[in-house]
Amino acid sequence: DQQVKQNSPSLSVQEGRISILNCDYTNSMFDYFLWYKKYPAEGPTFLISISSIKDKNEDGRFTVFLNKSAKHLSLHIVPSQPGDSAVYFCAASGRSGNTGKLIFGQGTTLQVKP
Amino acid sequence: DAGVIQSPRHEVTEMGQEVTLRCKPISGHNSLFWYRQTMMRGLELLIYFNNNVPIDDSGMPEDRFSAKMPNASFSTLKIQPSEPRDSAVYFCASSLRAGGVTDTQYFGPGTRLTVL
Repeated sequence: DQQVKQNSPSLSVQEGRISILNCDYTNSMFDYFLWYKKYPAEGPTFLISISSIKDKNEDGRFTVFLNKSAKHLSLHIVPSQPGDSAVYFCAASGRSGNTGKLIFGQGTTLQVKP
Repeated sequence: DAGVIQSPRHEVTEMGQEVTLRCKPISGHNSLFWYRQTMMRGLELLIYFNNNVPIDDSGMPEDRFSAKMPNASFSTLKIQPSEPRDSAVYFCASSLRAGGVTDTQYFGPGTRLTVL
């Protein structure tokens, strides 16, 4: 049972345009969400996160939006750059258990074309 | 800091052989996680440790998989016997549990395992 789902395996956008990556979750106990970025032959690296008490968090070109009622979050990259081409993983955590355990989605491969 | 160190980076073995993957977490981190990445399921958590103690191994696929953390600076993931369906990239990650805060996990570069 996939509790965190990224239904789009890949996304291609033009440099300078907006990239929107989507993520859905099923467990209402999740209250913290993260995005990780992964380049080939490297491990994932933390990108941005959001707590369930917020609906938006922004860091430079990266913004994460959370819609709790829809159990949906999205990552916006504006403007997209070729160096953003990577696999993006959405992850969720339930802090009530205070375990530090993260549940990841399948990943979305973003290609930004020059 | 050197970050999370994993060895080997690549492993090719034949079905039925024992495989041991190794991980050295970031110094001072007290949580360690083993993940497996596949195309179909993305990043799956296999097992994680807090203060060297296994907390949740519900993601370990079957008894052929075992993990140990004999001390704060070393962990192993063993597959015995290995099967072709175990072929994947295995990641180790570590974090500093600060209590009450979701802690950033730092990933190693991964071990690409191929079982023929």
